[in-house]
Amino acid sequence: QSALTQPASVSGSPGQSITISCTGTSSDVGGYKYVSWYQQHPGKAPKLMIYEVSNRPSGVSNRFSGSKSGNTASLTISGLQAEDEADYYCSSYTSSSTLYAFGTGTKVTVL
Amino acid sequence: QVQLQESGPGLVRPSETLSLTCTVSGGSISSYYWSWIRQPAGKGLEWIGRIYTSGITNYNPSLKSRVTMSVDTSKNQFSLKLRSVTAADTAVYYCARDSNPSKFDPWGQGTLVTVSS
Repeated sequence: QSALTQPASVSGSPGQSITISCTGTSSDVGGYKYVSWYQQHPGKAPKLMIYEVSNRPSGVSNRFSGSKSGNTASLTISGLQAEDEADYYCSSYTSSSTLYAFGTGTKVTVL
Repeated sequence: QVQLQESGPGLVRPSETLSLTCTVSGGSISSYYWSWIRQPAGKGLEWIGRIYTSGITNYNPSLKSRVTMSVDTSKNQFSLKLRSVTAADTAVYYCARDSNPSKFDPWGQGTLVTVSS
């Protein structure tokens, strides 16, 4: 199973914007609009933040936004807040028999 | 709103079978896919497989030979069995609703399963 590639860590100061990338292939990220993003605080279950590349579930702050270009999807957090410090995972539907691939995960640190 | 809760033994002996159940409350289990996802300590997420309420299943090829999933709509529950476990199967196991194919939401709180003698 090939995981999607994310940077291990990204950091920023309060109020800044950061972007997390998620790189796959034309068989997953590049081939479908089914990219989602999850936030995970320590000891907690993942929480859906973005689905279908850029859609935000109700209740998720509009400081979170998603986009995609080619085989790379991105999650942008604007107006960074202390509560945004967490691990973030992307996921994509894939044409392989695995059906779903997750990213390697990115630790976001608020300086 | 829909809530999920995993249950099952927290300790399984090597070579035995891991069995977990996910109970869905606040809504019907019908007409959805339901997935199992696991996360070893300090590592990333791995999709194990999913089941539709009709009983149709899809499994991760890396685990397919050892996995069986089932559903009991009368109890609003679905289950996971993983056979011949080793220490590598030690992880937090999550159940989640799978809005095929776009998102996993909501998730259960997760349950830690340790494989050890």
